[in-house]
Amino acid sequence: EAAVTQSPRSKVAVTGGKVTLSCHQTNNHDYMYWYRQDTGHGLRLIHYSYVADSTEKGDIPDGYKASRPSQENFSLILELASLSQTAVYFCASSETESSYEQYFGPGTRLTVL
Amino acid sequence: GDSVTQTEGLVTLTEGLPVMLNCTYQSTYSPFLFWYVQHLNEAPKLLLKSFTDNKRPEHQGFHATLHKSSSSFHLQKSSAQLSDSALYYCALSDWNNNAPRFGAGTKLSVKP
Repeated sequence: EAAVTQSPRSKVAVTGGKVTLSCHQTNNHDYMYWYRQDTGHGLRLIHYSYVADSTEKGDIPDGYKASRPSQENFSLILELASLSQTAVYFCASSETESSYEQYFGPGTRLTVL
Repeated sequence: GDSVTQTEGLVTLTEGLPVMLNCTYQSTYSPFLFWYVQHLNEAPKLLLKSFTDNKRPEHQGFHATLHKSSSSFHLQKSSAQLSDSALYYCALSDWNNNAPRFGAGTKLSVKP
């Protein structure tokens, strides 16, 4: 079965600090995504990537950077964490074509104080 | 741009009654539509997706029909079970946009 893992599973950060969320997949998928989940907003796309060493902006990229150093790994970086970035973050992967399902990781609960 | 609308934030039902969760979409290209289900403290998982040949997808008693004329992909089930209580997301992707967009989600709560 497809496997996507995320680390850490939860994190408390201070305002203005740097936060890195990591995602690893063993599915051999080309596409990887970062979403944030907030009540009332659903899953919103932050960044995605379809090949190593390249990332694309999603719908809400402000305040976030992404890094795809290899096919298996995709990181989300908050250079200056803010209170409004408190949320649950999900990583997902999928095969190349848009008709394929996404496989989600277990999520990371980030609290910024 | 592409978008998905789920009008109900919360649907509360009595066990055994039919379920219908609404999903409408906007897409420039011929889209693929998906329903994902997320149980409490779990990751979203695919429930079903639209086919290109107008077949009706079904899974775990749920089904959905893609109606291009009304841009809808409503999720239905004839009889709700307590275990169906979860958050349901409708999502869309197309050949021009390989990053699926999700609706705001509908929380389904099934009571005894």
